[in-house]
Amino acid sequence: AQRVTQPEKLLSVFKGAPVELKCNYSYSGSPELFWYVQYSRQRLQLLLRHISRESIKGFTADLNKGETSFHLKKPFAQEEDSAMYYCALKGTGANSKLTFGKGITLSVRP
Amino acid sequence: KAGVTQTPRYLIKTRGQQVTLSCSPISGHRSVSWYQQTPGQGLQFLFEYFSETQRNKGNFPGRFSGRQFSNSRSEMNVSTLELGDSALYLCASSTGTDLDTQYFGPGTRLTVL
Repeated sequence: AQRVTQPEKLLSVFKGAPVELKCNYSYSGSPELFWYVQYSRQRLQLLLRHISRESIKGFTADLNKGETSFHLKKPFAQEEDSAMYYCALKGTGANSKLTFGKGITLSVRP
Repeated sequence: KAGVTQTPRYLIKTRGQQVTLSCSPISGHRSVSWYQQTPGQGLQFLFEYFSETQRNKGNFPGRFSGRQFSNSRSEMNVSTLELGDSALYLCASSTGTDLDTQYFGPGTRLTVL
């Protein structure tokens, strides 16, 4: 079975502070990991995926297979980063569906 | 390209009724996936259709069903509605290949009274 765990529901930081949104997964294989973001009154959209190894809006995430983690990081949070963030896993073959974590609300205060 | 569209955007039904939701994918996308989003359970996968065939299925009762048409548009049906079916139903479209990205629609907000 594939499972994604986001241990925190809310993270509140001040503008300019570093951010780390945690994500752990369980999957017996080589999954693909994603971070999706949902800004207020907007649709869910892809933020980044581990195979791209790119930085989007200053966010990065590294897949750590040993710790089965895919934490999302940003060195300096901005107010416009306030949103709901979901970590998701896509398996392979018959398990190629997207499994989401419960999500975390990031609130960046001025 | 136009994004994923879902109709209707809002629905109010009563227990026992049935409902049909529609999803039009991005042009050229052959895969449509459906998700249920609730405050308690988060985003849960319902099923995926690819080229008119169900390719993946989540752990939902048989009251939840879907289909996909030759133009890739998809419908989801929920029969014998229960209060717990109140949720935001999202659909996402993709090319359906291994390295594709899912693009989400705005959702249909279903309220069951």
